[in-house]
This record gives sequence, structure tokens and C-alpha cells, in this order.
Amino acid sequence: DGGITQSPKYLFRKEGQNVTLSCEQNLNHDAMYWYRQDPGQGLRLIYYSQIVNDFQKGDIAEGYSVSREKKESFPLTVTSAQKNPTAFYLCASSMSVATNEKLFFGSGTQLSVL
Amino acid sequence: QKEVEQNSGPLSVPEGAIASLNCTYSDRGSQSFFWYRQYSGKSPELIMSIYSNGDKEDGRFTAQLNKASQYVSLLIRDSQPSDSATYLCVLDTGRRALTFGSGTRLQVQP
Repeated sequence: DGGITQSPKYLFRKEGQNVTLSCEQNLNHDAMYWYRQDPGQGLRLIYYSQIVNDFQKGDIAEGYSVSREKKESFPLTVTSAQKNPTAFYLCASSMSVATNEKLFFGSGTQLSVL
Repeated sequence: QKEVEQNSGPLSVPEGAIASLNCTYSDRGSQSFFWYRQYSGKSPELIMSIYSNGDKEDGRFTAQLNKASQYVSLLIRDSQPSDSATYLCVLDTGRRALTFGSGTRLQVQP
């Protein structure tokens, strides 16, 4: 089955620790995205990537980093510089940014601070 | 001013009634409009898209767009308890990735 796989489902971060959220897709989509969702709020864009080896900052990129070494993979690292990382993180993909009508979402990762 | 404004709700309607969800936006350059449904703890899923002024119907769902008033709405006829979810108004301004509203929580009472 084609889709997007995010792991882990739940993640806990200690003070000063970097953690990496995994996102893999087998839809052959060029564009991939990372969103953050806080309770009662909409999705805010962290980073997006249109093609391999290219990515752009979204609205709330500070304290986060990404890489796009393979078309299928777009991992997100939450660094220690992100002082309020507790949130629901969603990875998504689409055929391209220009035709981003339908986003396909992963099941999300809930990140909490210990 | 937020780019996308939605009433957070909850909007409570009885089973079988029409639920009306509303959204206003600030960017007149917005070209495409979408409604995503998100169940609690789950990821959003696309349920409707609309690109031109007027109504677009798909089963029990009708999307309405008025670009002059910068207003988009979603009507759900014959509401069911399974429709209880948060509905996100989403725009494509043509600049980059989609812009999401904060969502309206709908509760359909059996």
C-alpha cells in the first residue's frame, strides 16, 4: 500500500537533547512537508522540500533542521534550541508544491518534554 | 490579522440537521480553497476543494466560495455523529505551501 509512514508515534525529549522524527513515503511524490500542530490550533509549516537536496524554511523553522538526501525520506530534527517542542508533528507529501491540492499525511508523532 | 479565520467552536448540531462551517481569509490572491477534516489525534484528510465562486456539491457536503467577500463555507447536510471532528479551512495563495486555519470543532448530537 502506498502512503506516508511516520515514526515513532510518541517521543519524549530530555532537556538539551536533539531528537529526530522519521518520515518516509512511497508515493513517488516530489514535495514533502513538516507541520507542527498545537492543541486547538491549525497546522503551522516548519520546513518543506520540493526536490531532493533542496528544502525551504516555513513559518516556524527556528530550532528545527531537516535533510532531503532521498526522495522517499524527509527527517525532522528538533534541536535543543527549540525551547517549546511539545506538539503534534505531521509530515505530508504532494506531487509537487505547484500542485499541492491534496496533501497526503502521515499518522503523526506526538513529542513531549520530560 | 490572521490569514485564515475560523470560529473554534464547538459547533453543536443535532443528528440530521445541517451544519454550517465558516471561514474568512485576508489574502485576495488566494486561488484555491480546501476543507480538511481531522478526527481527534489523527491526521487531516481532504474532503472538499473549490476554486471558483459559487457552490460545489459532493454527497452531503457543499462548499461555497465568495471571493469578493473573502469568505468560504462548508455545509454538511443530514449531519451524523461520525461527522464530529475538527474542520480545517485551508488556502493555496500560490506563494508556497498551503495555509491552514485553526479549525472549527463540530459536535453532532445523537
